[in-house]
Amino acid sequence: DTEVTQTPKHLVMGMTNKKSLKCEQHMGHRAMYWYKQKAKKPPELMFVYSYEKLSINESVPSRFSPECPNSSLLNLHLHALQPEDSALYLCASSQGTLGGGNTEAFFGQGTRLTVV
Amino acid sequence: AQSVTQLGSHVSVSEGALVLLRCNYSSSVPPYLFWYVQYPNQGLQLLLKYTSAATLVKGINGFEAEFKKSETSFHLTKPSAHMSDAAEYFCAVRRMDSSYKLIFGSGTRLLVRP
Repeated sequence: DTEVTQTPKHLVMGMTNKKSLKCEQHMGHRAMYWYKQKAKKPPELMFVYSYEKLSINESVPSRFSPECPNSSLLNLHLHALQPEDSALYLCASSQGTLGGGNTEAFFGQGTRLTVV
Repeated sequence: AQSVTQLGSHVSVSEGALVLLRCNYSSSVPPYLFWYVQYPNQGLQLLLKYTSAATLVKGINGFEAEFKKSETSFHLTKPSAHMSDAAEYFCAVRRMDSSYKLIFGSGTRLLVRP
């Protein structure tokens, strides 16, 4: 199973709402990522969790709050978002160590978020 | 800091023609390099990866790429384009140290003409 599953696929939320994006993988990967992708742009790294600890935060605004409850799950909690936060949010996972050839990240299908 | 540059935001080829998508990298340490493909409204799928085992890398769907250290390049090729190859292609780089940062190039949209 080389699948990363993201839910929901689509989400529309108001600027005062609180919502969460979920990501799950069962490949035994110990690194998990959140990326944000605007239309016609490359994915931009937001957060990296390594062995369930936050290892990289790319200066993301606090209205985005990541959480890694266990090695298979990654959440992104959203609160007080702005319309410019509308984008495709991609989750990915990879092996926890970079030795050998197992270096690639596997991506989910993404959550299309619209903030109104 | 590592980065990748993709030359050409759009590449248009005829069906059956050679596909060449360009990627140049910049890294202070030996990098891992990747090519991903993204179809509309979907996630990213790995096409192939360079991890220093071999400079010519074969991937899925008939794609291959050659790592050239002297040119700091990792161009993606396919001998004969198919209509189903039309998509966005991203080159990406990661350092061969403990960093988990996977950084993407700006992307190249491949158009395939019948």
